[in-house]
Amino acid sequence: AQTVTQSQPEMSVQEAETVTLSCTYDTSESNYYLFWYKQPPSRQMILVIRQEAYKQQNATENRFSVNFQKAAKSFSLKISDSQLGDTAMYFCASMNRDDKIIFGKGTRLHILP
Amino acid sequence: GAGVSQTPSNKVTEKGKYVELRCDPISGHTALYWYRQSLGQGPEFLIYFQGTGAADDSGLPNDRFFAVRPEGSVSTLKIQRTERGDSAVYLCASSFPGATEAFFGQGTRLTVV
Repeated sequence: AQTVTQSQPEMSVQEAETVTLSCTYDTSESNYYLFWYKQPPSRQMILVIRQEAYKQQNATENRFSVNFQKAAKSFSLKISDSQLGDTAMYFCASMNRDDKIIFGKGTRLHILP
Repeated sequence: GAGVSQTPSNKVTEKGKYVELRCDPISGHTALYWYRQSLGQGPEFLIYFQGTGAADDSGLPNDRFFAVRPEGSVSTLKIQRTERGDSAVYLCASSFPGATEAFFGQGTRLTVV
């Protein structure tokens, strides 16, 4: 079975600080994809960053980077120089070869001015 | 259209009624997903279409839920004999075949009173 676990229901950080959101997953597949999605109050799910499991190099997108630990099945998201616009729900997700995307329960992130 | 369109944006219905939720995917996207997101939770997989056929409907909670995609484009999620527990945001997403990025609509908030 494919599962995704986010153990931090809510986090708050000051603007310009760095914050790390945790995620662990479980899958029996050898090749899969991992994602972080952002969901602001508008409900629109926005892809923040993706990681292919067979790539050892951690993905980076501007201020967003991941720490992918395949053996530990860990996939954390680091947001550097956090901005007020980063306030949102963040969901970790995985996708196997069957193309089904499974989401975690989310972390509500507050960036404080 | 430019993005995934879901209608209506909000729907209030009485317990026991039948509802239809519509999803208009991005043109050319053959893969289409339906998710249900309860308050404070992550999106829960319902069904995945590849073209006109349901490739995976393992997430449909019971036989009151049904989805169709007759021409491989627009999809309709149908809920019979609605219950208060069906109240949630229903999200639709679409992607190109084999792509790892799914684009989400803004969802339909269903409230059963």
